[in-house]
Amino acid sequence: GAGVSQSPSNKVTEKGKDVELRCDPISGHTALYWYRQRLGQGLEFLIYFQGNSAPDKSGLPSDRFSAERTGESVSTLTIQRTQQEDSAVYLCASSYPGGLEQYFGPGTRLTVT
Amino acid sequence: GQQVMQIPQYQHVQEGEDFTTYCNSSTTLSNIQWYKQRPGGHPVFLIQLVKSGEVKKQKRLTFQFGEAKKNSSLHITATQTTDVGTYFCAGSRNTDKLIFGTGTRLQVFP
Repeated sequence: GAGVSQSPSNKVTEKGKDVELRCDPISGHTALYWYRQRLGQGLEFLIYFQGNSAPDKSGLPSDRFSAERTGESVSTLTIQRTQQEDSAVYLCASSYPGGLEQYFGPGTRLTVT
Repeated sequence: GQQVMQIPQYQHVQEGEDFTTYCNSSTTLSNIQWYKQRPGGHPVFLIQLVKSGEVKKQKRLTFQFGEAKKNSSLHITATQTTDVGTYFCAGSRNTDKLIFGTGTRLQVFP
C-alpha cells in the first residue's frame, strides 16, 4: 500500500507569513508524529497524535506552532509568522499503537527568506 | 528531560572496515529502535530491541541493548558504500513517543 505522504515537498516563504504543511499517514495507523530536522541535525519531536486521545504537544517550540488531525487521517502542521530559524525539513511519521516502528514520509523542506 | 546521546557524531571509514555507534540514554528505556537515514532521504526503521542484554543481527549489522536498558550499540562488519548514511537510535519509556538520539553520520570511502 501507499506510504506516508507529505505536501508540499518544498516550501519557500517570506518571514512573517503563515505556512501549512500536510501529512497523510498510512491507512490504519492510529499514531501520527511530527518532527523537525534542521540541516545536519537530529530529529526534534514536535507533536504526537494517538487516536482520539489528547495530543502530546510537549515538543512544540512556541505558540506559533500548532497542529490538527482529522480523526485518524490527515494532519496539518501550521506555523504562524514564520521566522528564519523555522527553516528545516518537517517530517511526519505514523505507526500502529504500541511503540512499533514509525514509517516516515519524505518530508517538507521549509525555507524562510 | 530525557536525553539520548550518540557517539561518535561522525565516522569516516575505508570500505571493508568495521563501524560502531553507541547510544546512551539518561533514563531507563522500555525499548530502543534504530533507524537509518540516507543522504537526502528520510529515516527508515531497522530494528527494535526490548529485552535487557538483547542482541539481534541483520546480515552484517549487530544490534545490542545494554543490561541496564540505558544504552545500545550498532556494529557494522566490513562496511560497504551502501552503508553510508546517518544512524539514529530512538528510545521510549512505556509510551509510543520516541526520543531520537543525536545520530552518527557514517561515510565510507571505496
